[in-house]
Amino acid sequence: EVQLVESGGGLVQPGGSLRLSCVASGFNFSTYEMNWVRQAPGKGLEWVSHIRRSGSALFYGDFVKGRFSISRDNAKNSLYLQMNSLRAEDTAVYYCARDAAYGRLDCWGQGTLVTVSS
Amino acid sequence: AVQLTQSPSSLSAAVGDRVSITCRASQGISTALAWYQQKPGKPPKLLIYEASSLESGVPSRFSGSGSGTDFTLTISTLQPEDFATYYCEQFNNYPRLTFGGGTKVEIK
Repeated sequence: EVQLVESGGGLVQPGGSLRLSCVASGFNFSTYEMNWVRQAPGKGLEWVSHIRRSGSALFYGDFVKGRFSISRDNAKNSLYLQMNSLRAEDTAVYYCARDAAYGRLDCWGQGTLVTVSS
Repeated sequence: AVQLTQSPSSLSAAVGDRVSITCRASQGISTALAWYQQKPGKPPKLLIYEASSLESGVPSRFSGSGSGTDFTLTISTLQPEDFATYYCEQFNNYPRLTFGGGTKVEIK
C-alpha cells in the first residue's frame, strides 16, 4: 500500500523551530518529486515547498522568505521540512504529497499539526 | 503569480443532482489544472488532472473541462459520499502550485 506518514508537529512559540518528517512506503520514493502543502485551521490549501527526486533543486512559496528548508533522504524514504523563525500565521496542518507529474499530487499523508503560539 | 477564483464558495444540492463548480485563472494556463476533493479531517484526494483526465479509481460521475482561464468540475449525479470541499490547483508555473479557495458542497 502506498503510504505517507508525517510526524514532528506540535506546539512551538513564535520565533521557534520545528522539523517535520514524512516517511514513505509502498513505492519507490527516490523516483518521485515531493511537496509540502499546508492548511490553516478552517482555511484552504497552500503550497509550501517542492523538491526534485535527487534533492538537487528546491522551491518555496513566497511566504517562506528563507525560513523553511526542504530536504530528503532517499536511502531512508524520508522527506523533511525544517521550519525556523515560526510565526502565528504558520499555524496549520502540514501535508506531504507525492508528485506523480506536473502538480498531479496523487498521494497525501494524513498531515501533522503545527501550532505557533505563546 | 496566477490566481485561481472558485465559484461558488459553497452550494447546497440534493442526492442525484448535477453539480458544477467553476475555477477561473487570472491568466491563461492552458490545461495545467487539477481538482481535489477533501472531507473533514482528511487529506485532499486527487480527482482530475490536466483539466480533464480522470485519476485512476475515481468514479466516472466526476468530469473536468476547460482550458485557458475557465475550468469546470462536474459531478453528474451527486452521491452521499460526494459532500465535501473541492479545490482546483494550477501548475502552469510548475513546480510552484496555486490552489483555489475551495467550494463546499453541502446537503440540501
